Amino acid sequence: DSGVTQTPKHLITATGQRVTLRCSPRSGDLSVYWYQQSLDQGLQFLIQYYNGEERAKGNILERFSAQQFPDLHSELNLSSLELGDSALYFCASSVAQANTEQFFGPGTRLTVL
Amino acid sequence: AQSVTQPDIHITVSEGASLELRCNYSYGATPYLFWYVQSPGQGLQLLLKYFSGDTLVQGIKGFEAEFKRSQSSFNLRKPSVHWSDAAEYFCVSGGYNKLIFGAGTRLAVHP
Repeated sequence: DSGVTQTPKHLITATGQRVTLRCSPRSGDLSVYWYQQSLDQGLQFLIQYYNGEERAKGNILERFSAQQFPDLHSELNLSSLELGDSALYFCASSVAQANTEQFFGPGTRLTVL
Repeated sequence: AQSVTQPDIHITVSEGASLELRCNYSYGATPYLFWYVQSPGQGLQLLLKYFSGDTLVQGIKGFEAEFKRSQSSFNLRKPSVHWSDAAEYFCVSGGYNKLIFGAGTRLAVHP
């Protein structure tokens, strides 16, 4: 158990819908990262927040957004969902802003029908 | 651009045999390197990491990896594989604040 929690574990929804994925980092960690794991793209970095502020962006679609709240939990919002958005979404956390290991949550499996 | 290559998509070994998973990285400076393992239906667990210093690093579950700058490699090894080691293994490069994952090597273990 890494100490990072993600909810829900599974999510099934329809195309065009909007969903919110939630992540709570390890106690004491200020950085939260979101990754997407799909069969065709592998594991890709989406976005990072550090102490409430966006720090880095990766291959994140404009339909996706994220935020980190004062209690340091983070939410990833996915809108206008398409079939291709079906994937496993991981949250990770770390103490520092950069150059450090990241601890991963169990993931949220999103299925878009 | 920073990248990580794992040349072997699938590897099958017998239980008790030795294991080496290959990894090559592409990065201008000395990278931060990691190996993560993902068991079926599970999240990602950190096996070991290399930031600097001793080029042979020890990890959990009896794994070790060796950083070789001249070969741009960071291969993962285990002297004797257990059936519970069957999983997918990711070599990962850390460039400042994001992780770059290799495509992964799926390990199967025969009894």
